[in-house]
Amino acid sequence: GENVEQHPSTLSVQEGDSAVIKCTYSDSASNYFPWYKQELGKRPQLIIDIRSNVGEKKDQRIAVTLNKTAKHFSLHITETQPEDSAVYFCAASSGGGADGLTFGKGTHLIIQP
Amino acid sequence: DAGVTQSPTHLIKTRGQQVTLRCSPKSGHDTVSWYQQALGQGPQFIFQYYEEEERQRGNFPDRFSGHQFPNYSSELNVNALLLGDSALYLCASSLPGTQYFGPGTRLTVL
Repeated sequence: GENVEQHPSTLSVQEGDSAVIKCTYSDSASNYFPWYKQELGKRPQLIIDIRSNVGEKKDQRIAVTLNKTAKHFSLHITETQPEDSAVYFCAASSGGGADGLTFGKGTHLIIQP
Repeated sequence: DAGVTQSPTHLIKTRGQQVTLRCSPKSGHDTVSWYQQALGQGPQFIFQYYEEEERQRGNFPDRFSGHQFPNYSSELNVNALLLGDSALYLCASSLPGTQYFGPGTRLTVL
């Protein structure tokens, strides 16, 4: 089955700086890669997703890049703000997102004032 | 437009008991997936229901079973509870495609 590795487990950045979280996946059949943000005690919320027919997608301060050959994808957050502090999870699935998601272990992002 | 809802919010059970968790999908969604999230970990896929059938299953024992009703709502049943079943149980609904999560049910097994 699919295996998703996520790094780093904890990331501390100064407010206003950029943050990058990286994930690798093992199953070449995976073609859908969402990112979720989970605040303490809350549900995971989708922040951005990418399908394998594109290499990059951007939404305001958030961008995701995908390298299918190397089987890795990354989340980029620019101009970080205190409200960006949370745990971020990457995930992968096949079937264009129709299948169950395999999640990474999460990255705790801390924005230092 | 109502989002994904789950009940109950919290539940405490003892080892060996059985539990049923409920999920109502987002309006217009017909697919429900269930996940188990242990403390400090990412969610793990249990199974997915579509058209009242189990469409896909993750690596969970038969003690975990489910059901989907004609209105697309779903139940997760866990029999013979173990201490290790203590976790946040999340359901996610989709069309299928992008999955939107409910708030979860926190299950504690004593």
